[in-house]
Amino acid sequence: QVQVVQSGPDVKKPGASVKVSCKASGLTFSTYGIHWVRQAPGQRLEWMGWINAANGNTKYSKRFQGRVTITRDPSASTIYMELSSLTAEDTAVYYCARSSDTCFACWFDPWGQGTRVTVSS
Amino acid sequence: QSALTQPASVSGSPGQSITMSCTGTNRDVGDYNLVSWYQQHPGKAPKLMIHEVNKRPSGVSDRFSGSKSGNTASLTISGLQAEDEADYYCCSYIDSSTLIFGGGTKLTVL
Repeated sequence: QVQVVQSGPDVKKPGASVKVSCKASGLTFSTYGIHWVRQAPGQRLEWMGWINAANGNTKYSKRFQGRVTITRDPSASTIYMELSSLTAEDTAVYYCARSSDTCFACWFDPWGQGTRVTVSS
Repeated sequence: QSALTQPASVSGSPGQSITMSCTGTNRDVGDYNLVSWYQQHPGKAPKLMIHEVNKRPSGVSDRFSGSKSGNTASLTISGLQAEDEADYYCCSYIDSSTLIFGGGTKLTVL
């Protein structure tokens, strides 16, 4: 059974960066992609970006371009999402979710448990 | 780009059928069969219910179905049950490097 597990909650000060990890188990690392989606309190889901775990190719939402970096560590079968220049508006739950490696837009399944990031001075 | 448009709320009684919409444009929903639907219970991670407009993943009840007409995709839930009460989000492909979610619909089972 495929499971996606994320790192724990984090608190950051404005201007800092945060790095969230995501590890999928139950499947071969090079056979899928990983999306990152965030949800501010009481707000809708917001797509941030995607990485192909096999070759590291990435796609980023224009809204976050320049501030978000998605990377992979094949040796640890782990994907990372780093968001820089944080403001209070970045306070949200950040989710990773598996996708097909050949059709990044087809589906997100399963999702990680979410990582709460709080930005506060 | 703006989020896809979903009604803020829909409601129905147990056993009834409801349909919720997801309206985009001819540059996203209308142009591609890459619309998916997600169910989210309070405090929980979203769950895939429908992908590629009308494909249902294994393990998802056949009470859930998807369709599309023009620039509007729809999710229908038949035989409404109390456990279906949740927020539902649609998602669509826009271009080779962009996906977008709808604003979400809160389903209330009366």
